[in-house]
Amino acid sequence: EPEVTQTPSHQVTQMGQEVILRCVPISNHLYFYWYRQILGQKVEFLVSFYNNEISEKSEIFDDQFSVERPDGSNFTLKIRSTKLEDSAMYFCASRAGTEAFFGQGTRLTVV
Amino acid sequence: SQKIEQNSEALNIQEGKTATLTCNYTNYSPAYLQWYRQDPGRGPVFLLLIRENEKEKRKERLKVTFDTTLKQSLFHITASQPADSATYLCALEDSSSGSARQLTFGSGTQLTVLP
Repeated sequence: EPEVTQTPSHQVTQMGQEVILRCVPISNHLYFYWYRQILGQKVEFLVSFYNNEISEKSEIFDDQFSVERPDGSNFTLKIRSTKLEDSAMYFCASRAGTEAFFGQGTRLTVV
Repeated sequence: SQKIEQNSEALNIQEGKTATLTCNYTNYSPAYLQWYRQDPGRGPVFLLLIRENEKEKRKERLKVTFDTTLKQSLFHITASQPADSATYLCALEDSSSGSARQLTFGSGTQLTVLP
């Protein structure tokens, strides 16, 4: 069964460093998303990507965040200068129709 | 302001009984309402979707109802099993979200089925 894959599963980084989280969405899907979940809190929308550009973004997705689909298969989330409050699980998702398929997540820990 | 509320943070039930989880929303015009399952440290997994013009949807032991007048969805698991223990998330796709159709999630209900 096709699935969304994310790497790495866990990333530890120092405050102020840049991180890139990687995702391979399901190949025939057209919409791509990043969500995050701070420990013990709800899953929150960050950004959606369609037709090689950002469709929507939330207030969380400020200038420190960027997304890219560099090669037609990978979908990346970059955080330019990480803060302690960026520590969370980051989930990539993709969809073709109404059902969204989520990856297993990257646990980002900022120290 | 917009809100999605799930009735309780935690629900314990005995194996074999029916679990009923509630999702209420305010100030949304949902095109769909979806239910996901999330296990600890894992991503949400889609279970069921119900459209605004549907009253009820079933899939095996799962049933979802949707009342747009009450602005509420009920999620039922019949003949519950310990393997059903997980956090269940309700999610809305607001009809105003445009083509992106991102989901807004409730905070989830942690279900524990006791053997």
